Amino acid sequence: EPEVTQTPSHQVTQMGQEVILRCVPISNHLYFYWYRQILGQKVEFLVSFYNNEISEKSEIFDDQFSVERPDGSNFTLKIRSTKLEDSAMYFCASSEGHSGNTIYFGEGSWLTVV
Amino acid sequence: LAKTTQPISMDSYEGQEVNITCSHNNIATNDYITWYQQFPSQGPRFIIQGYKTKVTNEVASLFIPADRKSSTLSLPRVSLSDTAVYYCLVGDDRGSTLGRLYFGRGTQLTVWP
Repeated sequence: EPEVTQTPSHQVTQMGQEVILRCVPISNHLYFYWYRQILGQKVEFLVSFYNNEISEKSEIFDDQFSVERPDGSNFTLKIRSTKLEDSAMYFCASSEGHSGNTIYFGEGSWLTVV
Repeated sequence: LAKTTQPISMDSYEGQEVNITCSHNNIATNDYITWYQQFPSQGPRFIIQGYKTKVTNEVASLFIPADRKSSTLSLPRVSLSDTAVYYCLVGDDRGSTLGRLYFGRGTQLTVWP
C-alpha cells in the first residue's frame, strides 16, 4: 500500500536554529499538507499546498514557516528560527484530490527544540 | 464546519464489538464523515469514510442514519492492538478549507485482555 514517508523521524535542535522536515507524498497525489501535534494536544492544521503554491494556511503558520516542493517527489517544511513552543510531532499528508478525497498521513517527525 | 461530539473514552474486551458514536448536528449537505485512528507517536490512519447509510470495509463499518446528524463507527471483534484514539471528522473538501481537517480530542478506546 502506498504511503507518505517522512524524515527525520526525530530531530533535536537548539532554539533559533533552522530545521527542514522532509516528506515524500504518495506518488499520484496532488495535494499536500502539514499538520502538527504538540504532546498531549490535538492534531492541528498548518498548511495545504497545491500546484506549487499554498492553498490555505492556519494562524500557526507564520513567517517562520515555509513549504516547498523542490522536485517532483519531495515536500518540505522549513522552520527558520525554532522556538521552544515549536516542539511537536509534525505530520505530512497528501491526497489525490480535495473533493471528498481521503487524506493520508505520514508517521510524523518528532521535533524537540532545546 | 460542523462540530463533532464523541465520548472521551471507551473500554472494551478482546473479541467484543465496539461502537463509537459521533454527533454532528450541524452537518451540511456536502459534508462527508471520516474516521481516523491514531496510535501514540504515530500519524492518523484513515479508517473509513461515508456520506449516508452504511459503509463497510475490511476493518470497520460506518452507520449513518437518514438525518446524518450522527454516525457510528463499528469495530468488529476488537483486539488489544485496536487500543488507540479514534477521531470523527466532518467536513467538505469542496469548500474553502481545502484539505483542512479539524481534529477534536477523539475517543480513547482501550481494549483489555
